[in-house]
Order: sequence, then C-alpha cells, then structure tokens
Amino acid sequence: EAGVTQSPTHLIKTRGQQATLRCSPISGHTSVYWYQQALGLGLQFLLWYDEGEERNRGNFPPRFSGRQFPNYSSELNVNALELEDSALYLCASGSFYNSPLHFGNGTRLTVT
Amino acid sequence: SQQGEEDPQALSIQEGENATMNCSYKTSINNLQWYRQNSGRGLVHLILIRSNEREKHSGRLRVTLDTSKKSSSLLITASRAADTASYFCATDAEGGGADGLTFGKGTHLIIQP
Repeated sequence: EAGVTQSPTHLIKTRGQQATLRCSPISGHTSVYWYQQALGLGLQFLLWYDEGEERNRGNFPPRFSGRQFPNYSSELNVNALELEDSALYLCASGSFYNSPLHFGNGTRLTVT
Repeated sequence: SQQGEEDPQALSIQEGENATMNCSYKTSINNLQWYRQNSGRGLVHLILIRSNEREKHSGRLRVTLDTSKKSSSLLITASRAADTASYFCATDAEGGGADGLTFGKGTHLIIQP
C-alpha cells in the first residue's frame, strides 16, 4: 500500500510569491489534513478536507487556502508569502473521523 | 491552540534504559494517540487509547491514560538508538472537534549508545 505522498520535498520562494503544495492520500482515505510545523513548535492545524469539501480551518489568515480534488488528492496554496511561513508542511490522511492519521514526509518551505 | 502538552521537552537516556514521557490535556476527549517523528520527516502513529481504557501495550510501548487527571504517559522499555525521535501526543475533543487531532509540542528523546 502506497503511503501519503507530498510534493515537492523542498520549496524555496521569495517573500510575496505564491507557493503550491500537493498531497496524495492513501488509497481509500477521503480525509486530508494539513498541518504547519515551524521550528521549535508543535503541529499547528491548518485545514481539513473530506469528500471534496473544506470541513474546517485553523487559526491562519485567508492567504492559506486549498482544495481537495475528486480523487481525494489535495493542494495547499499560500499566497503573499511571508518569512514566518517558512516551515515544514505536513499532510495526513485518515479513513474516518479521528482515526489514526497517516502522514507524508512533508514539504519544507523556505521563504527568503 | 495546543490541547496536549508533553513533558519533558527533552529527554536523554542510555540505551537499554526505560523512557517515560507525559502528556497533559485540557478538555474531555474521545481518544488519545501517540506519534513518533524522526528528524524532518512525517509522523508515524504508535498507539491509540480510548477514553474508557486505562492502559494499553504494543511491543515495547506502554501507554496509560488517567482521564480524571487529564493526563497520559508513554513508556518505552529497553530503549534502542533507533528510538531517538520526537514523540507527540494527540487528542480529539469529546463530542467531535472539527480540528480533528490536536498535537502537543512533543518530547525530544535521545538514546545514547
């Protein structure tokens, strides 16, 4: 069984640019969660998608957005990048609400 | 907001010793999960304990849950160098919180060979 895959592995952007991060969940999983892990901090909840719908978002500004496609893969977009957006962005998928999550290895976003 | 808080923030022990990490949380939960994260990689699920369970074992892992104290502990017995990682507890709010799982900041465990 293929795990959760994320791309790209690393992304370097300049302040003000836009970043797009992608995630493919485990086959059969309909829920996708996005988390931000900044250096020295825990995981901060960003977004939750299920069955193509955004179910909830964390305490992040609107320039963090995303979507889930019919095949349940997901995309996270970050507009108007700021230096503090530099972090590891983790995607996770689950088979039902609050089931154990399966994580990808993340996208390391660096904003210069 | 952080629901779970792990303690200690960092722990260094000798290989073969036991490692104990603690997690405290604030609101009533349905279940509590523990995850491991190797440096710069994704999290791996270790064990899930439900609110009506008090103790659970999986290999060298032992998890306890005290809902009256809103706390949990993870014990790793006979530690190995490969256990070096960060360990996170994650909780979900009773009644269904739309955030899904809420993670703490983690305990960084170092096993000295």
